[in-house]
Amino acid sequence: DVKVTQSSRYLVKRTGEKVFLECVQDMDHENMFWYRQDPGLGLRLIYFSYDVKMKEKGDIPEGYSVSREKKERFSLILESASTNQTSMYLCASHPRQGSKNYGYTFGSGTRLTVV
Amino acid sequence: AQTVTQSQPEMSVQEAETVTLSCTYDTSESDYYLFWYKQPPSRQMILVIRQEAYKQQNATENRFSVNFQKAAKSFSLKISDSQLGDAAMYFCAYRGSQGNLIFGKGTKLSVKP
Repeated sequence: DVKVTQSSRYLVKRTGEKVFLECVQDMDHENMFWYRQDPGLGLRLIYFSYDVKMKEKGDIPEGYSVSREKKERFSLILESASTNQTSMYLCASHPRQGSKNYGYTFGSGTRLTVV
Repeated sequence: AQTVTQSQPEMSVQEAETVTLSCTYDTSESDYYLFWYKQPPSRQMILVIRQEAYKQQNATENRFSVNFQKAAKSFSLKISDSQLGDAAMYFCAYRGSQGNLIFGKGTKLSVKP
């Protein structure tokens, strides 16, 4: 069974901390995505990557960065966590850019609280 | 830019009844894909059904079916014989030439026993 694994289900961090959210997929997918989910706002794309060492900004990249050193791993980094980054973070992957008929495979999310 | 609108923040249905969730989208593209995702309290996003824009036939997956109206840019989800396990957040999503999934804000579905 294919999987996208997010390292933490719940996370509590202090304001100003550097935070790493890890995502690993075992499907050899080229494309990986980080979304933020907030009530009433749906899912908003933060960053995505089409290949190792490649990254593209999504709709709300401010305050975030990403790292993709290996194909299976895509990390979301909060350089200096702030309370407005308290949210649910979802990672997803997809086999390749041309396969539009496939949906994404999602991880089970990391609920981050910044205090 | 493409947008996806779900106008019903919350819906409720009686067990065994039928419910329809609405979704409209805005795009100038002719080739795209539409999806409905389910997110139960476990938070795991589950793909419910997909529709290819060039196909006129509406997609069906067991109790789930869509009413795809391309000219009206409408993509509603019908759930027949609703079950308690159908209670969840439902998200409509669009995927066009850019390749990214664009989501609506979601509809919370409650199922009454």
